[in-house]
Amino acid sequence: RKEVEQDPGPFNVPEGATVAFNCTYSNSASQSFFWYRQDCRKEPKLLMSVYSSGNEDGRFTAQLNRASQYISLLIRDSKLSDSATYLCVVNSGGSNYKLTFGKGTLLTVNP
Amino acid sequence: GAVVSQHPSRVICKSGTSVKIECRSLDFQATTMFWYRQFPKQSLMLMATSNEGSKATYEQGVEKDKFLINHASLTLSTLTVTSAHPEDSSFYICSVPSRGTSGGSGTQYFGPGTRLLVL
Repeated sequence: RKEVEQDPGPFNVPEGATVAFNCTYSNSASQSFFWYRQDCRKEPKLLMSVYSSGNEDGRFTAQLNRASQYISLLIRDSKLSDSATYLCVVNSGGSNYKLTFGKGTLLTVNP
Repeated sequence: GAVVSQHPSRVICKSGTSVKIECRSLDFQATTMFWYRQFPKQSLMLMATSNEGSKATYEQGVEKDKFLINHASLTLSTLTVTSAHPEDSSFYICSVPSRGTSGGSGTQYFGPGTRLLVL
C-alpha cells in the first residue's frame, strides 16, 4: 500500500461547481497533514494545513479522520484559477520530519 | 516575494557531465534543507536532507556518490548530479522548513525547481 494515496483524476468541472478530493495515508503515526497546490511545471505551494477538527479557508474546507486515516479537501464555487494539481501531503514526524506526497489530483475548471 | 531561490531553472546537458544546482534560503537561515525529485506525473520524492555542518541524510535508494550535497552555509545548499545520464532527467526541487523549525511543523517553502534534461 502506498504511503499516501489520492484519486489521480482528472477532475473536469464547470465554474461554480463544488469538487471534493480524497486522500488516505498508511502511517498511523503521521502527525501533520497538508494540502499543497502545484501548477503545471511549477513548485508546490501550501494551500492549507489540515486539523483534526476540520478547518476552512474561504472556499476551501479540509477534513481529517485519524481513525480512518483519511483526509479530504472540498472546494466550493470553483474558479478557473483553481485549475491545478492538488497534493495531499503527510508529515510522518520523527527525527527528520519527512514530508510524503501523494501523486496529486488534477483539477481543471472549465468556463 | 520568494523565500527560496534555485539556480539554474533549466539545464540541458550531455550524458556524462556533472550538473550543479544551487538552493538559497533568501529570508532566513536554514540549518536543514530538503532536496526532492519529481518525474512527470509522479509524486515529489524526497531524495535527501541537507544538514549544515554535517553530512546529508539520503533516502533509501538514492546514491550518495551520484547526488552530492553540500550545505555550504546557513543559506545555501548545493546538489551536484555527477555523471548525469538520461534517466536522471527530472524536476529537482529544494525546500526550506518554515522559520524556527527543522521541519517540525511540516510547512516547507519550496524553490521554483530546476528542470534537468540529459541528452
